[in-house]
Amino acid sequence: QVQLVQSGAEVKKPGASVKVSCKASGYTFTGYYMHWVRQAPGQGLEWMGWINPNSGGTNYAQKFQGRVTMTRDTSISTAYMELSRLRSDDTAVYYCARARGYSSSAWFDPWGQGTLVTVSS
Amino acid sequence: SYVLTQPPSVSVAPGQTARITCGGNNIGSKSVHWYQQKPGQAPVLVVYDDSDRPSGIPERFSGSNSGNTATLTISRVEAGDEADYYCQVWDSSSDHHVVFGGGTKLTVL
Repeated sequence: QVQLVQSGAEVKKPGASVKVSCKASGYTFTGYYMHWVRQAPGQGLEWMGWINPNSGGTNYAQKFQGRVTMTRDTSISTAYMELSRLRSDDTAVYYCARARGYSSSAWFDPWGQGTLVTVSS
Repeated sequence: SYVLTQPPSVSVAPGQTARITCGGNNIGSKSVHWYQQKPGQAPVLVVYDDSDRPSGIPERFSGSNSGNTATLTISRVEAGDEADYYCQVWDSSSDHHVVFGGGTKLTVL
């Protein structure tokens, strides 16, 4: 079955970087865009951007431009999201999610299990 | 940027019908997708393209979209439907290509 498995929880200090992985299985990794969404404690969902696993092309939400980098390794069907210059308000659960449907109206299915990133001094 | 407005909470008795709205400017011209999120779990797609259901989602879940409001309807509500629900669209007019509503907490009384 289609599955996305993310890396484990991280604790980082302010100013550091974090890199979260998302390993895909059960489908052709390069055939579907991968998106990243985060959720701060008790808050809603916030879209961060996407990567085209086939070409490596990316598109980031303006809020994260300059701080986020999305990459992939097609040999191991894994997508990565790196966030730099971490602040306390970056504390959140980070999800990867496979996009389906037309690129300008896609939905997300499935989602990874989430990775908690805690930023604390 | 495009804004989606959801009521913070909706309450319904078991067996009744819950309706969760998602408001946006001319949202009827967009495809709306809905997700269910239970505490401590990742979101799960329950309706896509306004009214289609993924395999495995009960027929009790349905969607509609017209004018400035999209609606997720849950018929014969069960205790297990208690969760947060989020609507989602694409906004190609800005860099915020993906937009989520603020979420609605469904409470089963």
